[in-house]
Amino acid sequence: AQSVAQPEDQVNVAEGNPLTVKCTYSVSGNPYLFWYVQYPNRGLQFLLKYITGDNLVKGSYGFEAEFNKSQTSFHLKKPSALVSDSALYFCAVRDMGGSQGNLIFGKGTKLSVKP
Amino acid sequence: NAGVTQTPKFQVLKTGQSMTLQCAQDMNHNSMYWYRQDPGMGLRLIYYSASEGTTDKGEVPNGYNVSRLNKREFSLRLESAAPSQTSVYFCASTTVNVGGTEAFFGQGTRLTVV
Repeated sequence: AQSVAQPEDQVNVAEGNPLTVKCTYSVSGNPYLFWYVQYPNRGLQFLLKYITGDNLVKGSYGFEAEFNKSQTSFHLKKPSALVSDSALYFCAVRDMGGSQGNLIFGKGTKLSVKP
Repeated sequence: NAGVTQTPKFQVLKTGQSMTLQCAQDMNHNSMYWYRQDPGMGLRLIYYSASEGTTDKGEVPNGYNVSRLNKREFSLRLESAAPSQTSVYFCASTTVNVGGTEAFFGQGTRLTVV
């Protein structure tokens, strides 16, 4: 079965420091991987995705993610965190099997950026 | 371009009452989904519709029914609400023909069952 794990419930970072939000996955075949962000009382917003090609993917708001096939990881990164980056972050993998493209989500990581 | 629109945004129900959550997308997507979000559990799939006229169960379908009214609209119905259905519900849509297409989400419906 395909799955996604986000090992950290919360990540705390000082403003201006680099941030990493971790994600590992388990799929059969080639993965389609996604990161979404959720601000309080809002829906999920797409940040970036990995389909194929370069292992370093750049997305919205200065975020990037590194795909590592050998470690089955897709960690989200940003060189310099902003207080406004504080939100809930979800990693997801697309299920290309029975659920017709359903996204399978990790449990989410709360990012807190302090001034 | 409105994207995915959900109504209502908030709802309080008494146990045993019924209601329908509405979802519409204007992106000509073929696939639509209903998720529920609970603290510490991420998003879990309730039902999905791969195309107009088809629906299938997801991970947590018990207590829910859905209707894919047309290509644009996908509704979720609670026939007899229970406190365990207190949650935030999200509708999403995407085009699955291309596996790398991202899904777009509505703003959510916050449902409380008392």
